[in-house]
Amino acid sequence: DIQMTQSPSTLSASVGDRVTITCRASQSISSWLAWYQQKPGKAPKLLIYKASSLESGVPSRFSGSGSGTEFTLTISSLQPDDFATYYCQQSRTFGQGTKVEIK
Amino acid sequence: EVQLVESGGGLVQPGGSLRLSCAASGFTFSSYWMSWVRQAPGKGLEWVANIKQDGSEKYYVDSVKGRFTISRDNAKNSLYLQMNSLRAEDTAVYYCARAVVVVAGGNWFDPWGQGTLVTVSS
Repeated sequence: DIQMTQSPSTLSASVGDRVTITCRASQSISSWLAWYQQKPGKAPKLLIYKASSLESGVPSRFSGSGSGTEFTLTISSLQPDDFATYYCQQSRTFGQGTKVEIK
Repeated sequence: EVQLVESGGGLVQPGGSLRLSCAASGFTFSSYWMSWVRQAPGKGLEWVANIKQDGSEKYYVDSVKGRFTISRDNAKNSLYLQMNSLRAEDTAVYYCARAVVVVAGGNWFDPWGQGTLVTVSS
């Protein structure tokens, strides 16, 4: 199975910061990567699919990029509602998650 | 509105059984792969099982093979997970999710239900 590795595991940032989360695949997955946001006690929510396609209704401050084995999720200007845990996913495998905390 | 609502979770003793249900609405249920994904307390997401639109193909994570069975009833717009021989390590919130599967090889999960908690403990 392909392994997905996210970094960092935890990220401390302030409102207005530009935030980047990285997801690496153990082998090439073309552009077949999705990103999710999960808040405590809630179900995950799809943000990005096919590496860079923004899900309908998701704010444009979220963007995804990459192909092959390296991918990034970028939040251009962190908002209070964005403090959450983010997961990447390829096929049946999820990354271990990145918790975005208030600095 | 596309909606998934899970039910059936609860406290069960090790070795016991539980059947989870997921009621789907707002989309053509029979046109989609469906999945179960779980999350142990304080841990990350783990895919558990997938089922094809007509139920002809089913896939499981190795840790539940032979113990869990995924099924669906397209007439009732419902997805199920029969869990037998439950272990403490199966304790988790179980989410039902619609799987968007692309022929070229990719897939993602959208939307997700609110989850149902399964606790395996004596």
